[in-house]
Amino acid sequence: DTAVSQTPKYLVTQMGNDKSIKCEQNLGHDTMYWYKQDSKKFLKIMFSYNNKELIINETVPNRFSPKSPDKAHLNLHINSLELGDSAVYFCASSQITSGGLKTQYFGPGTRLLVL
Amino acid sequence: GENVEQHPSTLSVQEGDSAVIKCTYSDSASNYFPWYKQELGKGPQLIIDIRSNVGEKKDQRIAVTLNKTAKHFSLHITETQPEDSAVYFCAASPNSGGYQKVTFGTGTKLQVIP
Repeated sequence: DTAVSQTPKYLVTQMGNDKSIKCEQNLGHDTMYWYKQDSKKFLKIMFSYNNKELIINETVPNRFSPKSPDKAHLNLHINSLELGDSAVYFCASSQITSGGLKTQYFGPGTRLLVL
Repeated sequence: GENVEQHPSTLSVQEGDSAVIKCTYSDSASNYFPWYKQELGKGPQLIIDIRSNVGEKKDQRIAVTLNKTAKHFSLHITETQPEDSAVYFCAASPNSGGYQKVTFGTGTKLQVIP
C-alpha cells in the first residue's frame, strides 16, 4: 500500500545516455513534484504538475522533460545525461486544501549515478 | 522568491538531551511551515507543521514555534533517542490562493549519541 512509489530505485548509466524515472501515487492527490537532492542534501524543486498541467518549472536544463499521463503519474525523462546529473531524485505529491495546506508526501527516491 | 536559511547544519546531542533547529524565511507572505525528517536512504517525511495563525504546536516530544514578526521558526525535540538521528528540513510556503511552491531549508544532520 505504498503511497508514492518510484522506479527504478537505483540507476547507473553512461554519460550521453537517455533515461526515464517513473513515479506513481495512490493518495488521490492532484499535485505532483520532482525534486533533485545533491550530495550536500540540498532539496531543490524541479517541476510541479497539477491535474496533469505544468505549474512550476524551475531553471532546469531542457534535457529534463517531465510528463504526466494522468494525475496519479509523473515521469521524468532525461536526455544526454551529464556527470552533474548524478543525484537522488525524489517524487512527491500533495493535495491543496481549502486552507492552503500543502503537505507533501515523498517517494523513496531514485539514486542516479552517471559515469 | 522565498529564501529559507537553516542552522545548524550538523548537531550532535547526548541521548536524553534536547535538540533545537532554527530557520529563518524571507517572504512575509509565507504562512505554512512544515518540518520533514529524512532517514538514511529514504525520502523526507513530514513530522510536524505549523500555520501562521499559531505560535506554537506540540506533538509528544516534538514542538515547533513560530515568530512571524522576526520571520523565524524552530523545531524542538526533547528527550532525544537514537532513532531521532536523521536529517531534518524546515520549509516555508506562501498561500495566496494559487499553487505556490514549498521552499526547503538546507537541512540539519542530527546525531543522537547513545
